[in-house]
Amino acid sequence: DSGVTQTPKHLITATGQRVTLRCSPRSGDLSVYWYQQSLDQGLQFLIQYYNGEERAKGNILERFSAQQFPDLHSELNLSSLELGDSALYFCASSLFRGELFFGEGSRLTVL
Amino acid sequence: AQSVSQHNHHVILSEAASLELGCNYSYGGTVNLFWYVQYPGQHLQLLLKYFSGDPLVKGIKGFEAEFIKSKFSFNLRKPSVQWSDTAEYFCAVKVYSGGGADGLTFGKGTHLIIQP
Repeated sequence: DSGVTQTPKHLITATGQRVTLRCSPRSGDLSVYWYQQSLDQGLQFLIQYYNGEERAKGNILERFSAQQFPDLHSELNLSSLELGDSALYFCASSLFRGELFFGEGSRLTVL
Repeated sequence: AQSVSQHNHHVILSEAASLELGCNYSYGGTVNLFWYVQYPGQHLQLLLKYFSGDPLVKGIKGFEAEFIKSKFSFNLRKPSVQWSDTAEYFCAVKVYSGGGADGLTFGKGTHLIIQP
């Protein structure tokens, strides 16, 4: 158990819909990272937050957005979903400049 | 931007064979290096990491890796693999840039299958 909690574990939805994935970091970790894992693209960095502020953006689509709340949990919002958005979405957390600890992921299936 | 290359996408070995998985990165500055493992249906777990000091790093489950700065490499090794080592292995690099951004860049992974 890494201490990083992600919900939901599985999600099935239709094209055009919007979903929200939630992540609770390890106690004390201020940084939260979101990654997308798919068979063809591998692990892609989406976005990083540190203590509520966005710190880095990777290959995140404009249809996707994220935020980190004062209690440090984070949400990743995916809208206007397409078939190609089906993937495993991982959240990770770390202390400042430390190693990343990953959650178990949220598996999104878009039909 | 930095990138990470893992040379082998699929590796099949027999139990007790020795393992070496290649990893090269492209970045000329200071980096931290990691190997993560993902067992089937599970999340990524840290195998080992290099931040500074001794370039030969020992991790969990008998794994080790050697950082060779001149070759921009961080290869993963294990002298004798077990069936339970069947998993996906990811090499990752962390580059410290301005503003505190420090996400990991991952390689595409190596799928390791150990045959009994």
